[in-house]
Amino acid sequence: GQQLNQSPQSMFIQEGEDVSMNCTSSSIFNTWLWYKQDPGEGPVLLIALYKAGELTSNGRLTAQFGITRKDSFLNISASIPSDVGIYFCAGQTRGSQGNLIFGKGTKLSVKP
Amino acid sequence: NAGVMQNPRHLVRRRGQEARLRCSPMKGHSHVYWYRQLPEEGLKFMVYLQKENIIDESGMPKERFSAEFPKEGPSILRIQQVVRGDSAAYFCASSPLTGRYNEQFFGPGTRLTVL
Repeated sequence: GQQLNQSPQSMFIQEGEDVSMNCTSSSIFNTWLWYKQDPGEGPVLLIALYKAGELTSNGRLTAQFGITRKDSFLNISASIPSDVGIYFCAGQTRGSQGNLIFGKGTKLSVKP
Repeated sequence: NAGVMQNPRHLVRRRGQEARLRCSPMKGHSHVYWYRQLPEEGLKFMVYLQKENIIDESGMPKERFSAEFPKEGPSILRIQQVVRGDSAAYFCASSPLTGRYNEQFFGPGTRLTVL
C-alpha cells in the first residue's frame, strides 16, 4: 500500500530552538495535514494544506505543501516545553474516498 | 460545540469475547472514519461511513470486524471473537465534508486490551 516516509523519527529539543520535520511520498497527494498527539490522547489537527506550494502558519508552526505534491514539511519556531509530543503527517491521494494515510510520526522530546 | 466522543476510553476483553466501540461525531459532521494505531506506529485507516452507508471499508480485516453508522445514534465498530493481536488504540474521526477539503477531527480513542 501507499506509505508516507516521515523524518526524523525522533529528535530532542532545547527550549527556544527551531524544529523541522518532513514527509515524503512516492504518490501525489492533494491534501496534507499535520497532527500532534499527546500520550493517551487522539491526534489534534494543527495545519491543513490543499494547494501545491501553499505555505500556512498557525502561531509558531509553519507548514508547506511541496511543489511536486509528494512532500510536506512542518517547522516549529522557538520551541517551548509543551511542544513535546508526537507529530504526524497525513495525506489524502486524488483517488481516495476520504481516508488519510499517516506517517509513522516524529517524536519530540526535551534534551536531558 | 463538543468534539468527537468515544467510549469506552479503555476496554479489556478476554480472547473470544466481543468488543463494541462507540463514536459520536462532532455536531454537524456526517462523515465518520475509524483508524487503528499500534504502539509506536501511525494510524491505519479501517473504514469510512456516512449515515446508514459504508463508503470505503478497504482497511477493514475481512473477518470478525464490522462497522455501522445508523440513522440515529453513534457509529459502532464491532470486533467479534477478539484475539491478542486486536489489542490497539482505535480512533474515530469525523469530518463535515468529503473530497478535497477533508479535515478530520479525532476523538480521544478507545484502548482495547485483549487478555
